[in-house]
Amino acid sequence: QKEVEQDPGPLSVPEGAIVSLNCTYSNSAFQYFMWYRQYSRKGPELLMYTYSSGNKEDGRFTAQVDKSSKYISLFIRDSQPSDSATYLCAMVHGNNRLAFGKGNQVVVIP
Amino acid sequence: DGGITQSPKYLFRKEGQNVTLSCEQNLNHDAMYWYRQDPGQGLRLIYYSQIVNDFQKGDIAEGYSVSREKKESFPLTVTSAQKNPTAFYLCASTYGGNTEAFFGQGTRLTVV
Repeated sequence: QKEVEQDPGPLSVPEGAIVSLNCTYSNSAFQYFMWYRQYSRKGPELLMYTYSSGNKEDGRFTAQVDKSSKYISLFIRDSQPSDSATYLCAMVHGNNRLAFGKGNQVVVIP
Repeated sequence: DGGITQSPKYLFRKEGQNVTLSCEQNLNHDAMYWYRQDPGQGLRLIYYSQIVNDFQKGDIAEGYSVSREKKESFPLTVTSAQKNPTAFYLCASTYGGNTEAFFGQGTRLTVV
């Protein structure tokens, strides 16, 4: 079983819809959880960062962590065409190594 | 502006050649990483370094080599032993432990 599972299937939504992305993980030592956004042919940029169970909001973005279920989610409200990108979940544990999911390609259709 | 700079943006390699990808950061970050990204594969760790003059193999180190002579620099050499080097290569850095990673803009390597 991979440390981090993220269904890479492309996701197409109409503009204004809520985008829901998630990752599961197997290693309970993961303490820090991140979501990155990557536009085509660019490096990933940090979108959200959290270290505790619960919700964290930043504008239209909400990151959710459930450590008991080893499950994290990212929600994008009022999605815009500019949100079209690949979204990667990432996690860190004590030895400072990052583990990434495979990424979800999101397309927001105007 | 602080950040991570990767160069070149595009690189073409002939069969049997070694090539070196540059990664420089001015963020005063201790740890630096090299990842390879292929379609549908996500990011795979090649090498990482937590301090100067020290580095560790990641999950797919075969055919690659690195050095860390300066805190700011972590070049990656793709050797002729790497049989399928065509990919998008990303360099990242972190400050201390358990913090978010910052990425460069990547180098796209193509074997011709």
